[in-house]
Amino acid sequence: EPEVTQTPSHQVTQMGQEVILRCVPISNHLYFYWYRQILGQKVEFLVSFYNNEISEKSEIFDDQFSVERPDGSNFTLKIRSTKLEDSAMYFCASKDGITSYNEQFFGPGTRLTVL
Amino acid sequence: QKEVEQDPGPLSVPEGAIVSLNCTYSNSAFQYFMWYRQYSRKGPELLMYTYSSGNKEDGRFTAQVDKSSKYISLFIRDSQPSDSATYLCAMSASSYGKLTFGQGTILTVHP
Repeated sequence: EPEVTQTPSHQVTQMGQEVILRCVPISNHLYFYWYRQILGQKVEFLVSFYNNEISEKSEIFDDQFSVERPDGSNFTLKIRSTKLEDSAMYFCASKDGITSYNEQFFGPGTRLTVL
Repeated sequence: QKEVEQDPGPLSVPEGAIVSLNCTYSNSAFQYFMWYRQYSRKGPELLMYTYSSGNKEDGRFTAQVDKSSKYISLFIRDSQPSDSATYLCAMSASSYGKLTFGQGTILTVHP
């Protein structure tokens, strides 16, 4: 069964460093999302991406964040200068362009630890 | 008022029990309702999805939506220890838009 994959599973970085989180969405899916979950808190929406552009972003997704689909398979989230409060699980999700329900399939997540 | 409210539990039930998980919401624009299951430090796994009001059944799981009360439920029949996880409700206003999640309910089914 096709699934969303994410790398790395765990990333440790120093405050102020840049990180890139990678995702491979399900093949043929057209809508892509990033969410994050701070430990013990709810899953929060960051950004959605469709047709090679951002379709919606949250207040969290400020100028320090960017997303890119560099080729036909990868979808990346970049944090330019990490802060302690960026420590969280980051989930990528994707959805096809056919079904009329909002079935978003999530990857296993990348745990980001900022020291 | 939070957009989506979900009792975090924890909820502990014996094997074989019927489990009822619930969420309330305030945004009347929500039309699409999902239930996800999440194991510790893993990604949310889609369990059920419904559109607008009504019931949907899939095996031991039944999802209900009451838009007039802004209330959704997930029922698990004949619960099993393997059902032990955190259950997240999620909803959206469109068929492709962002999901807004509840806090999640921690469920433990003990043998």
